[in-house]
Amino acid sequence: QKEVEQDPGPLSVPEGAIVSLNCTYSNSAFQYFMWYRQYSRKGPELLMYTYSSGNKEDGRFTAQVDKSSKYISLFIRDSQPSDSATYLCADQGFQKLVFGTGTRLLVSP
Amino acid sequence: GAVVSQHPSWVICKSGTSVKIECRSLDFQATTMFWYRQFPKQSLMLMATSNEGSKATYEQGVEKDKFLINHASLTLSTLTVTSAHPEDSSFYICSARASGSSYEQYFGPGTRLTVT
Repeated sequence: QKEVEQDPGPLSVPEGAIVSLNCTYSNSAFQYFMWYRQYSRKGPELLMYTYSSGNKEDGRFTAQVDKSSKYISLFIRDSQPSDSATYLCADQGFQKLVFGTGTRLLVSP
Repeated sequence: GAVVSQHPSWVICKSGTSVKIECRSLDFQATTMFWYRQFPKQSLMLMATSNEGSKATYEQGVEKDKFLINHASLTLSTLTVTSAHPEDSSFYICSARASGSSYEQYFGPGTRLTVT
């Protein structure tokens, strides 16, 4: 079993839709949870991070962590074509990040 | 703030030659830097972790004699791919963690290596 599982997609939505991206993890020792956005042939860009359970909101983005079910989510409101990218969840293991495989998101105008 | 650069952004080399990739933290000091490899449509695979002034720690399955990492200062780490072969062609990405931070990593833009 992979430490971090993520549906690779692609996930196709129309502009303006609410997008839900999800990951599950297996290591209960994970404390920090991150979401990165990666455009094609570019390095990942940190979008949001959360510590422990709960929600965190930043503009159109909301990150949610449920440690009891080992489930992390990223919601994007009013999605835009510029949001089309691969979204990687990552959990902070001992001294290093453990990445999911990434979900490719396509937002059509 | 928190900008990481990589150089070169794209390099083509012949099989058997060596290639050096630089990773710099431009506006912060990075005690720890990481090197990743990414194949098309796949996630990032951690190759090694380097701490300033000490030897790098390589992940299982990564040849330390082939991928030489040097972290000589708090703002610069280099990855040298020695005796490159076509199967080493990939996207190499570095990241840096600021001194005093326990989790945030900032990524460089990546280097595309093509070995012919």
